[in-house]
Amino acid sequence: EAGVAQSPRYKIIEKRQSVAFWCNPISGHATLYWYQQILGQGPKLLIQFQNNGVVDDSQLPKDRFSAERLKGVDSTLKIQPAKLEDSAVYLCASSSGQGRSPLHFGNGTRLTVT
Amino acid sequence: DQQVKQNSPSLSVQEGRISILNCDYTNSMFDYFLWYKKYPAEGPTFLISISSIKDKNEDGRFTVFLNKSAKHLSLHIVPSQPGDSAVYFCAATPSYNAGNMLTFGGGTRLMVKP
Repeated sequence: EAGVAQSPRYKIIEKRQSVAFWCNPISGHATLYWYQQILGQGPKLLIQFQNNGVVDDSQLPKDRFSAERLKGVDSTLKIQPAKLEDSAVYLCASSSGQGRSPLHFGNGTRLTVT
Repeated sequence: DQQVKQNSPSLSVQEGRISILNCDYTNSMFDYFLWYKKYPAEGPTFLISISSIKDKNEDGRFTVFLNKSAKHLSLHIVPSQPGDSAVYFCAATPSYNAGNMLTFGGGTRLMVKP
């Protein structure tokens, strides 16, 4: 079973620029999550999708962050404009969505904003 | 407000000995708890979980204990091996959340010395 794929692995941008991250979940997984992990902290949920619908985006800074999951498979997370405090690893995870099925994480995208 | 706390940022243990990682939570609605392990430059991987109806769950060398009255859980690794060296995250989710939106602790870095 192929894992969760994310790209790019690393990205360096200047503040006020925009950036986009891509995620391809495990085949057949209905639920997709984006987490932000700041250095030295645990992952923090940004948004959860069930198929192509948003389940929870209460912690997504909507003035600068946006995410979509067209066709209920791949997802993109965008930041525009980026701030210094957005420097973090952005993790995508997926699960089958059945019962307490565990989340499977990708290797993340490390974003550095200078 | 941190709802899940791992108060020890790091732990060093000799190979063959027991590793005990601790986690405290404040939200009494949490009823399902998980431990994830994370190697550098990789995403977290699921290790073991426990439901609030149990006080212990065992999987090979890994055992998770839950003390609901103290709002405390711990992960025991016996015997510890050098390959166990990683960052361990405790996570929790409440009973009303069927979507597995996890709240993570800040992590504990475990170093197992040969």
